[in-house]
Amino acid sequence: GAVVSQHPSWVICKSGTSVKIECRSLDFQATTMFWYRQFPKQSLMLMATSNEGSKATYEQGVEKDKFLINHASLTLSTLTVTSAHPEDSSFYICSALIQGGGNQPQHFGDGTRLSIL
Amino acid sequence: AQKVTQAQTEISVVEKEDVTLDCVYETRDTTYYLFWYKQPPSGELVFLIRRNSFDEQNEISGRYSWNFQKSTSSFNFTITASQVVDSAVYFCALSGGYSTLTFGKGTMLLVSP
Repeated sequence: GAVVSQHPSWVICKSGTSVKIECRSLDFQATTMFWYRQFPKQSLMLMATSNEGSKATYEQGVEKDKFLINHASLTLSTLTVTSAHPEDSSFYICSALIQGGGNQPQHFGDGTRLSIL
Repeated sequence: AQKVTQAQTEISVVEKEDVTLDCVYETRDTTYYLFWYKQPPSGELVFLIRRNSFDEQNEISGRYSWNFQKSTSSFNFTITASQVVDSAVYFCALSGGYSTLTFGKGTMLLVSP
């Protein structure tokens, strides 16, 4: 149980395009989802906390207008990288908390490797 | 502010050796959780363990064991009789009252045959 599906796994696109990444909780409802970014050989850095039905909370230094987060349902959060540039190339990974799950750990998706040419 | 320090950037061992990965944390929360995750080359995060701040009992799961010492703010992870499949990056992480995770920088473990 507690499976989080992230799509796509890989994406390669040209500079200037927008890329949408989906994070779905398959067998549970998730009031809260998190988006992380991981550059090569570095740690995971929290980008934003996404709460269903409300605006996301972004960490300091993360551009809200560049990384659009939508959490329109209890099973889906999306991250859109707008006008992506090579410096946005990274590994993006989401996680989800089970609604009403108390202090259960976050459940992670398998991540999305984004390469901007 | 919360902080997790994994001082070992990379560790190389030969198969069947025991290896300990260190983790030191800082937090002002009285209630918190500590985690270990494994990240193989494929990238996904594999959850290994979670401990809460009130439970200092050491834990053993197969070849894995964890030593939680509040007095030294450490949560070390030992792999006994390491195997090539253990090669991965291991992250220690800390979560306080708001469920957000703070990760250490990770330790890359290379196990050679």
